[in-house]
Amino acid sequence: QKEVEQNSGPLSVPEGAIASLNCTYSDRVSQSFFWYRQYSGKSPELIMSIYSNGDKEDGRFTAQLNKASQYVSLLIRDSQPSDSATYLCAVTKGNTPLVFGKGTRLSVIA
Amino acid sequence: KAGVTQTPRYLIKTRGQQVTLSCSPISGHRSVSWYQQTPGQGLQFLFEYFSETQRNKGNFPGRFSGRQFSNSRSEMNVSTLELGDSALYLCASSLAPGAHNEKLFFGSGTQLSVL
Repeated sequence: QKEVEQNSGPLSVPEGAIASLNCTYSDRVSQSFFWYRQYSGKSPELIMSIYSNGDKEDGRFTAQLNKASQYVSLLIRDSQPSDSATYLCAVTKGNTPLVFGKGTRLSVIA
Repeated sequence: KAGVTQTPRYLIKTRGQQVTLSCSPISGHRSVSWYQQTPGQGLQFLFEYFSETQRNKGNFPGRFSGRQFSNSRSEMNVSTLELGDSALYLCASSLAPGAHNEKLFFGSGTQLSVL
């Protein structure tokens, strides 16, 4: 079983819709969870971090964490064509390096 | 403030050669991590350095090595290149080690092609 799993997509949503991206992880002692966005040909950039169960909102982005079920998700409200990118889920425990999923490619159709 | 700088941006090598990639972290950042990104495997952790010491190492063969200098700049070296080493090599810096609390800033990467 992969440590961090994501559906590779592509996930296609119409402009203005909610995009829902999911990630599951295998290590129960994971403590910190991150979502990175990577545009084609560019490097990853951090968009959200979440450490405790529940929802965390930042503008149009909401991260959700459920440690009992070992999943973390990212919701993008009012999706825009500029949100089209690959979204990487990353997990760590304590001071260990980030473990990344392979990413989900999101395409927002105008 | 300048971001993470990686050089060169592109590199073409042949099998058996060796290569050295360079990374200059954001000013004031003392921790540098290296990742390999391929379409098939995604982002995989190579090493993490802090204060010239390797803190963590990923599951890569000994052909992959790295170091960090007193000014926090880092290099990674791959010897006896194989076709499978073709990848985007990303460097990320942070103020201190431990991705738990420290935001990682990635450089633009070095695209290595092995022919």
